[in-house]
Amino acid sequence: GQNIDQPTEMTATEGAIVQINCTYQTSGFNGLFWYQQHAGEAPTFLSYNVLDGLEEKGRFSSFLSRSKGYSYLLLKELQMKDSASYLCAVRDSNYQLIWGAGTKLIIKP
Amino acid sequence: ETGVTQTPRHLVMGMTNKKSLKCEQHLGHNAMYWYKQSAKKPLELMFVYNFKEQTENNSVPSRFSPECPNSSHLFLHLHTLQPEDSALYLCASSPAGAGEQETQYFGPGTRLLVL
Repeated sequence: GQNIDQPTEMTATEGAIVQINCTYQTSGFNGLFWYQQHAGEAPTFLSYNVLDGLEEKGRFSSFLSRSKGYSYLLLKELQMKDSASYLCAVRDSNYQLIWGAGTKLIIKP
Repeated sequence: ETGVTQTPRHLVMGMTNKKSLKCEQHLGHNAMYWYKQSAKKPLELMFVYNFKEQTENNSVPSRFSPECPNSSHLFLHLHTLQPEDSALYLCASSPAGAGEQETQYFGPGTRLLVL
């Protein structure tokens, strides 16, 4: 079966760096997405990786290793507003999105 | 504001009621999606419409009935639901096609409670 694994919950301190991991086993691979979802709000697109390596967008970076079935989202200079759930999703060979259950990130002062 | 709106934002209904959820996208996209989001579970894809044609139905019970009158509007008609159907129902849209253009943009969701 297809599976996306990510930690259920993480805690970090304001101003620090946190890395949220995502591992996947899917039938084929056509890209990996990270979304941010604040409580009670819509998931919003953060990043997309289809080739190996690091994609940087301001304080957020996303890394992909296709051979390892592994990605991470790196958040730097954490702010209280970064408290949210972070969803990892992989597009399989049928171009269907397979979603992880999300990682709830709690930022403490 | 992502350009995708959903109404109502909250809905409480009994098991014998009939209600409808509405989604509208203002992004000029050609694909629209219904998802179910339950606590601590992955998003579950329910239905996909591409150019108003249903292209995916992920074994969803018949008590959920989608309708897509045009590329900008999507409805989810609900009848004789069960308490386990209580969840957040998310609508999304995408341009349609492969590559990064296929990023999905989500509405804020309808929080549904079935009593």
